[in-house]
Amino acid sequence: GDSVTQTEGQVALSEEDFLTIHCNYSASGYPTLFWYVQYPGEGPQLLFRASRDKEKGSSRGFEATYDKGTTSFHLRKASVQESDSAVYYCALSEDSNYQLIWGSGTKLIIKP
Amino acid sequence: NAGVIQTPRHKVTGKGQEATLWCEPISGHSAVFWYRQTIVQGLEFLTYFRNQAPIDDSGMPKERFSAQMPNQSHSTLKIQSTQPQDSAVYLCASSLVTGSNTEVFFGKGTRLTVV
Repeated sequence: GDSVTQTEGQVALSEEDFLTIHCNYSASGYPTLFWYVQYPGEGPQLLFRASRDKEKGSSRGFEATYDKGTTSFHLRKASVQESDSAVYYCALSEDSNYQLIWGSGTKLIIKP
Repeated sequence: NAGVIQTPRHKVTGKGQEATLWCEPISGHSAVFWYRQTIVQGLEFLTYFRNQAPIDDSGMPKERFSAQMPNQSHSTLKIQSTQPQDSAVYLCASSLVTGSNTEVFFGKGTRLTVV
């Protein structure tokens, strides 16, 4: 079945550091890929999505590029802020299935 | 638009008691999901309704968990004979339609603690 792998369970950075959170997927078809962010006490909320190979999604300085060749959708941000501290989830969805398939999440800790 | 509303935000029950969690989806959304979230397991799909009809409950522990959607404005998740391992944040979510490009909107969750 479809799956999403996030290799980092936790990432600790200082303000203005460069962020990369890795996301690799396995899918039988051509999925839409998502990044969701969850702040403490809140539910996950959509950061952005991408549906086609080489499409870049972006929001609030975060970006990721759909790469069908390497089956990846890595999240990047050039300069993180303390307010970016949250849990980030990569997910996928296929037309044939209403369900979102979730990665295990990556907790981002920003040290002031 | 108040978003997806979940009540209560926190619930403490004694082992063996029943817990009922409530969800009001966003008006006009035809799809409603329930998830369970724990540190160990992450986000776990429980069940899905479309136009109030139960479509998939494959994630529900069969014996003690049940979910209903009696009308388009609310859904309930009931846990009978709660056990400590049921302690988790239960998240309700809704979306306009289901498809690969659809954004899902989550509530703030209900934190259930079984003591």
